Amino acid sequence: DQQVKQNSPSLSVQEGRISILNCDYTNSMFDYFLWYKKYPAEGPTFLISISSIKDKNEDGRFTVFLNKSAKHLSLHIVPSQPGDSAVYFCAASASGNEKLTFGTGTRLTIIP
Amino acid sequence: DAGITQSPRHKVTETGTPVTLRCHQTENHRYMYWYRQDPGHGLRLIHYSYGVKDTDKGEVSDGYSVSRSKTEDFLLTLESATSSQTSVYFCAGSGGAGYGYTFGSGTRLTVV
Repeated sequence: DQQVKQNSPSLSVQEGRISILNCDYTNSMFDYFLWYKKYPAEGPTFLISISSIKDKNEDGRFTVFLNKSAKHLSLHIVPSQPGDSAVYFCAASASGNEKLTFGTGTRLTIIP
Repeated sequence: DAGITQSPRHKVTETGTPVTLRCHQTENHRYMYWYRQDPGHGLRLIHYSYGVKDTDKGEVSDGYSVSRSKTEDFLLTLESATSSQTSVYFCAGSGGAGYGYTFGSGTRLTVV
């Protein structure tokens, strides 16, 4: 039972345009959400997070939006740059639980 | 070296042999995790530790065991390797609920 789903295995975006990566979850107990970025032959690295008390969190070119009623979050990257080409994982945890549940990942390719 | 170090980075082993993967951290993380990454499955939790000698199973623990004799080291053992255990294995550490993970660079294991 996949509690965190990333339904798009891959996404290609022109350099300079907006990249939107989506994530859906089924567990209503999840209240903390994170995005990780992974380059080939490296471990995932933390990108941005959001708590369920917020609906938006911004960090430079990266913004995460959370829609609790729809159990949906999205990562916006504006403008997209070639260095953003990577696999992006969505992750979630429930209050008081230190374990993260990860999605299947979306491979983002930025086209120069 | 700071952070989380995994060894070896690559290993090829034969079916039926025991294999131990090592994870060493210098960040005093209380919680440590072993994940495997497979196409179409994302990151799946194998085992985790919430302190020295305190470990528990994740969602894909069959065929694996772990040990944590000191804070810094978390070992993953494949008791009798099978081809289905061919994967990329990631170790991660965290400070607890509400904190993100720090990942190692991964171990690519091939069972032939």
